[in-house]
Amino acid sequence: QQQVKQSPQSLIVQKGGISIINCAYENTAFDYFPWYQQFPGKGPALLIAIRPDVSEKKEGRFTISFNKSAKQFSLHIMDSQPGDSATYFCAASRDQGAQKLVFGQGTRLTINP
Amino acid sequence: KAGVTQTPRYLIKTRGQQVTLSCSPISGHRSVSWYQQTPGQGLQFLFEYFSETQRNKGNFPGRFSGRQFSNSRSEMNVSTLELGDSALYLCASSSGPGGETQYFGPGTRLLVL
Repeated sequence: QQQVKQSPQSLIVQKGGISIINCAYENTAFDYFPWYQQFPGKGPALLIAIRPDVSEKKEGRFTISFNKSAKQFSLHIMDSQPGDSATYFCAASRDQGAQKLVFGQGTRLTINP
Repeated sequence: KAGVTQTPRYLIKTRGQQVTLSCSPISGHRSVSWYQQTPGQGLQFLFEYFSETQRNKGNFPGRFSGRQFSNSRSEMNVSTLELGDSALYLCASSSGPGGETQYFGPGTRLLVL
């Protein structure tokens, strides 16, 4: 019940295209869903996060879509750029605190120029 | 504002030894969480400290321990190292309970031979 399942494991997208990464969770007590971006040799960095009271949140080229009934959420990267090539992790936590994050397995995104 | 710093960045140990890793959170942050990152298991929560008290703990054996000092700096210790402990150990800080954003450090890469 503590798992967060992420797909796909790897993704190749052409420059300018839309990258879509999906996550599913089981624990309905989760109430905070962030996405992190990690470059080689660096720690994860928060990209965007959402709470279950909204169905979508957009920040620049990054959008989270959230489906509470399906217990799924996804990250859309519009106009994908080579600089977006990184590993992306979805995560979830409960009790309104982000301190104990449960992470998905990660998606290695490659944007071809 | 300086980010989360972790020392050392790289470490090589042999089986049976013990190791201590250090984390300095962002100034003003009082919550420190530790995560283990491996290719097989991904990012897994180890424990979280707030005001020198362990608030949350993940599913790791007792060989993994931590503490937090009055200045919010934290250390984690792994005793009797095993080969499977080879991983990137990440520290993250946030303002405290309810503080949503966790800021990760660059990690300490531990290799156990």
